[in-house]
Amino acid sequence: AQSVTQPDIHITVSEGASLELRCNYSYGATPYLFWYVQSPGQGLQLLLKYFSGDTLVQGIKGFEAEFKRSQSSFNLRKPSVHWSDAAEYFCAVGARLSGANNLFFGTGTRLTVIP
Amino acid sequence: DVKVTQSSRYLVKRTGEKVFLECVQDMDHENMFWYRQDPGLGLRLIYFSYDVKMKEKGDIPEGYSVSREKKERFSLILESASTNQTSMYLCASSLGVGELFFGEGSRLTVL
Repeated sequence: AQSVTQPDIHITVSEGASLELRCNYSYGATPYLFWYVQSPGQGLQLLLKYFSGDTLVQGIKGFEAEFKRSQSSFNLRKPSVHWSDAAEYFCAVGARLSGANNLFFGTGTRLTVIP
Repeated sequence: DVKVTQSSRYLVKRTGEKVFLECVQDMDHENMFWYRQDPGLGLRLIYFSYDVKMKEKGDIPEGYSVSREKKERFSLILESASTNQTSMYLCASSLGVGELFFGEGSRLTVL
């Protein structure tokens, strides 16, 4: 069965510091992997996705993620965090489910940015 | 621009009431989903639909039903609301593999 683990519930970083959010997945086939961001009171917005090819993918807002098959990981990174990046981040793995394409989400990592 | 609209951002209902949560997408997407979001639990799939009048149970369908009479509209129904259904409900749609487009969510409180 598919599953996604985000081991960090809450991370605090200083503005301007680098960021890495961890994601590990379990899936029997080649996964489709995603990172979503949720700002307070809002729905989820796609940051980036990996389907195949280059294992380092670039997304919006200066984020990137690297797929490492050997580690079953898809960690999200940003070299310099801005105060507006404070939000909750969800990793997800895509799966085919009865004719639809569903996503299985991790439990999320809340990011706090301090001045 | 892509848009998924949930009709109610905040609702307060009493135990035993019937609750309707409406979701409309303007992207002509085949697939639509209802998720429930709770702190520490992430997003859990309640129901999804891959075509008009088609529906499939997700991970936590108990206490919920859905309706999809038109392609653009997907409704979540709580036949008899209970306090443990107090939550944030997120609707999403997708065309195929991958990206889900989410609405802003409906926060339901059941007293």
